[in-house]
Amino acid sequence: EVQLVQSGAEVKKPGESLKISCKGSGYTFTDYWIGWVRQMPGKGLEWLGIIYTGDSDTRYSPSFQGQVTMSADKSITTAYLQWSSLKASDTAMYYCGRRVGGAGTNAYDVWGQGTMVTVSS
Amino acid sequence: QSALTQPASVSGSPGQSVTISCTGTSSDVGAYNYVSWYQQHPGKAPKLMIYDVTKRPSGVSNRFSGSKSGNTASLTISGLQAEDEANYYCCSYAGSTSFVVFGGGTKLTVL
Repeated sequence: EVQLVQSGAEVKKPGESLKISCKGSGYTFTDYWIGWVRQMPGKGLEWLGIIYTGDSDTRYSPSFQGQVTMSADKSITTAYLQWSSLKASDTAMYYCGRRVGGAGTNAYDVWGQGTMVTVSS
Repeated sequence: QSALTQPASVSGSPGQSVTISCTGTSSDVGAYNYVSWYQQHPGKAPKLMIYDVTKRPSGVSNRFSGSKSGNTASLTISGLQAEDEANYYCCSYAGSTSFVVFGGGTKLTVL
């Protein structure tokens, strides 16, 4: 079964760092891009960026460039999203998704279950 | 404010058809045939319903269809069923600078 499994919920204080994960299984991990999407409480979906797990090539949304860092460790078929200094406004659910198709296609056919990040003093 | 504009809500009775619009610009929806649609039930991850404007992934009901005219894409759901009640988001490729933009989402209520 093709699946993405994300790490568990996190509660952090402003200024702390954080790295959440998204582990792929059931398919050739390095053949696909993994994208990240944010959903703030009660709000819509926002695209953060995407990483090609084969060579860690990344593309960031201009809105999130410099705010987050994406990485991947293909030896353990896991993609990561990290923050160096969290803000309260980073409180949200974060989803990873597997992109299918070629450049331009934004079809994410498999999704992780989401990781809730809460940042509060 | 979202990059793509969707109606906040739409509704329909079981068996009816509804259409959700998604209006962008000549830099995103109008420029590329890379519009996708996602269904999201409360507390759940998004589910891909349509991609590349009109394509339907395996396993998605043929009651769901997509189209595009100019800067506006549309998702049509025919033969409405109770389980279609959810939030729907459109998504478009926006070129090599912005990459991907989402709509603000539309809440579908099945009356």
